[in-house]
Amino acid sequence: NAGVTQTPKFQVLKTGQSMTLQCAQDMNHEYMSWYRQDPGMGLRLIHYSVGAGITDQGEVPNGYNVSRSTTEDFPLRLLSAAPSQTSVYFCASTEGLATDTQYFGPGTRLTVL
Amino acid sequence: GENVEQHPSTLSVQEGDSAVIKCTYSDSASNYFPWYKQELGKRPQLIIDIRSNVGEKKDQRIAVTLNKTAKHFSLHITETQPEDSAVYFCAAHSDSNYQLIWGAGTKLIIKP
Repeated sequence: NAGVTQTPKFQVLKTGQSMTLQCAQDMNHEYMSWYRQDPGMGLRLIHYSVGAGITDQGEVPNGYNVSRSTTEDFPLRLLSAAPSQTSVYFCASTEGLATDTQYFGPGTRLTVL
Repeated sequence: GENVEQHPSTLSVQEGDSAVIKCTYSDSASNYFPWYKQELGKRPQLIIDIRSNVGEKKDQRIAVTLNKTAKHFSLHITETQPEDSAVYFCAAHSDSNYQLIWGAGTKLIIKP
């Protein structure tokens, strides 16, 4: 199993550009989530999904969209990038709900100029 | 909503000594408390967790204790080794939502 994969590993955007961060898992997990990690602030939940076709907002959803058309994939879309979105983004999946082990992807380091 | 505070933000201990990291939470309905370890440049990984029906859980040199009355839980690492150097995150989950709420992290430094 590849586990949770994310692409790209690194990305530089200009303010106002849009892009999609890809996340995929091959463990047939129902629960997937997107976090951003900023220095000294831990992990903050952006959006999550409890299954295909179902998504919901987390703590910091503004400026981001998600979709979950399949169990395997959970892309995160930045609508109009801003410097405040410079961060490391982690995707995670869990077999059950949030009370099971979260398996994280390797992360995407995003810089917005 | 839930709020998780984690202390200290940085902890430096001598190799072989013990390290303790403490987290407090606000939602009395929280029932699941995991701890994750993140080495530099790597992804977070679960090291131990505890549920609200248990007061303590151990796994070799790592233990977690939970005090539901005081709404705090702690990570204990004994006989620290260089490979324990990392950032440790606590988190809390409540059945009132599907989200884990995370502490800000503790950078653990093991001095040789």
